[in-house]
Amino acid sequence: DIQMTQSPSALSASVGDRITITCRASQYIRNSLAWYQQKPGKAPKLLLFGASKLEGGVPSRFSGSGSGTDYTLTISSLQPEDFATYYCQQYYDTPQTFGQGTKVDIK
Amino acid sequence: EVHLVESGGGVVQPGGSLRISCVASGFTFRSYWMTWVRQAPGKGLEWVAIIKQDGGDKLYVDSVKGRFTISRDNSQNSVYLQMNTLRADDTAVYYCARGGYFPSSHLDNWGRGTLVTVSS
Repeated sequence: DIQMTQSPSALSASVGDRITITCRASQYIRNSLAWYQQKPGKAPKLLLFGASKLEGGVPSRFSGSGSGTDYTLTISSLQPEDFATYYCQQYYDTPQTFGQGTKVDIK
Repeated sequence: EVHLVESGGGVVQPGGSLRISCVASGFTFRSYWMTWVRQAPGKGLEWVAIIKQDGGDKLYVDSVKGRFTISRDNSQNSVYLQMNTLRADDTAVYYCARGGYFPSSHLDNWGRGTLVTVSS
């Protein structure tokens, strides 16, 4: 199985901050990488797929990059509604696997 | 608008069985791979199973192989997860999610989930 290592596991930030979350795959995943946002008690919401393609309706302050095994999610200017947990997921191979999550909370 | 609604969760004893369902609307259900993902209380997301458009291909995470069976009924726009020999570590919210036209696809729409609790 492909292991997804996400870091950091948690971070504290302020409104307006730029934050970056990284995700490393244990093997090549050919940009088959998605990012999800989850708020407490809610289902995950797709933010980006194909490493860098923004899902419709997702604000442009979210961006993704990377290739090979290393990928990043960046929020350019954190907004109050962005405080949540973020997960990466590889869908290059089954079983599809998720990172362990990054909880973003208010500093 | 895409809607996925799960049902059938509940409390079941260890060793017991349960079938959960997901009804889809707002898209051509028979055109998409469908997936179950679960989340244990306070934990991260775990991909569980996936089924092809025609139900012909099914894949599972190792921890549920031989115990869980994914199926679908395209006439009812529904996907199911039959869970047998349930264990305490199967306790989780189970989400139904839409994949794509291929098995290697991101999950673009999710239901709200149904809680399965395995406890005596």
